[in-house]
Amino acid sequence: QVQLVQSGAEVKKPGASVKLSCKASGYTFTSFGIHWVRQAPGQGLEWMGWLNSANGDTMFSQIFRGRVSLTRDTTASMAYMEMTSLRSEDTAVYYCVRDGNGGDWGQGTLVTVSS
Amino acid sequence: DVQLTQSPSTLSASVGDRVTITCRASQNINDWLAWYQQKPGKAPKLLIQRASNLETGVPSRFIGSRSGTEFTLTISSLHPDDFATYYCHQYHTYWTFGQGTRVDIK
Repeated sequence: QVQLVQSGAEVKKPGASVKLSCKASGYTFTSFGIHWVRQAPGQGLEWMGWLNSANGDTMFSQIFRGRVSLTRDTTASMAYMEMTSLRSEDTAVYYCVRDGNGGDWGQGTLVTVSS
Repeated sequence: DVQLTQSPSTLSASVGDRVTITCRASQNINDWLAWYQQKPGKAPKLLIQRASNLETGVPSRFIGSRSGTEFTLTISSLHPDDFATYYCHQYHTYWTFGQGTRVDIK
């Protein structure tokens, strides 16, 4: 079955960068894109961007453009999300989601930004 | 960008109640709308896609419908397991989520 397994929790200081991973299995990785969605504590879901797993093309929400990069390693069926210039407001759970009908989510990675 | 306006933000109900959540899109998105249920500490669970198509294994008490740019999620008879937060989600143009509706016990 389709599985998306994300990397473990991170604690970062303001101004630092973080790179999260998402390991896909149970399907052909390059056949489906990967979306990244975040959820701040007690808040709603916020779409960040999309990665074309086949060719590496990306699209971003305007809010994250320039501060987030999405990459992949097709040989390892891995997707990555890197965010720079972290601030306290970036404290959230970050999810990877398989493109398609939106039914396949990773378990989420908590990123805590605190001095 | 497509905006989704979801209402209400909170809904108090009892087991057995009929519950309705509304999501209005800022432009035509055809039927590219999904509904999710989320419980604390868990990833969202897909209930309905393409506005009215129930995901496999989701109880038939969950009903999705569309009228133009207004979408509705109805729970025909609330079960104890249904107390959760619900989100609408458009995937016509990029992705957008509604603000969420928390269904709690009256």
